[in-house]
Amino acid sequence: QQQVKQSPQSLIVQKGGISIINCAYENTAFDYFPWYQQFPGKGPALLIAIRPDVSEKKEGRFTISFNKSAKQFSLHIMDSQPGDSATYFCAAEPYSGGGADGLTFGKGTHLIIQP
Amino acid sequence: NAGVMQNPRHLVRRRGQEARLRCSPMKGHSHVYWYRQLPEEGLKFMVYLQKENIIDESGMPKERFSAEFPKEGPSILRIQQVVRGDSAAYFCASSPTWDRRELFFGEGSRLTVL
Repeated sequence: QQQVKQSPQSLIVQKGGISIINCAYENTAFDYFPWYQQFPGKGPALLIAIRPDVSEKKEGRFTISFNKSAKQFSLHIMDSQPGDSATYFCAAEPYSGGGADGLTFGKGTHLIIQP
Repeated sequence: NAGVMQNPRHLVRRRGQEARLRCSPMKGHSHVYWYRQLPEEGLKFMVYLQKENIIDESGMPKERFSAEFPKEGPSILRIQQVVRGDSAAYFCASSPTWDRRELFFGEGSRLTVL
């Protein structure tokens, strides 16, 4: 059972456009929602993260929108640039207090920004 | 200012051989996590270790896989008697505390089983 569903699987956006990637989760115990960016041959790197006490978080051109009632969150990349071309993973984690369960990742979205 | 260091970056093994993957966490980090990434899949949690202790191995296959993080030296993920289905990228991440919300990933070790 996949606990975090990510869409679309791939996305092509023109330079300067808005890239939108969506994720939905099932486990209501999740309370931390990061997005990771991965370039080919590299490890994932934390891009931006949100907790459910806010509905939106913005860092530069990257914004997370969070809808707790719908159990959905999305990443918006404004003014998308060719350098943003990468694979993006959403993830979720419950507050475990130091116990078990790591991050649960979505399957990823291959984003291509066309010049 | 080295990040998480993994080696080897690429490893080729024949079925039945053993694979050993090493991970040196970031300086000051005592918490290490291993994840596996299959093609077109997200990362799957395998194991969480602190120095000399396995904290959570709920994501580890029951057989052939083991991990350690000794008092001295890198963390090691060991896969015995590899099969083709073990072919994947294995990522190590570290954090300074138990709070996984500060995960820093290495560049991964890509295992190919012939």
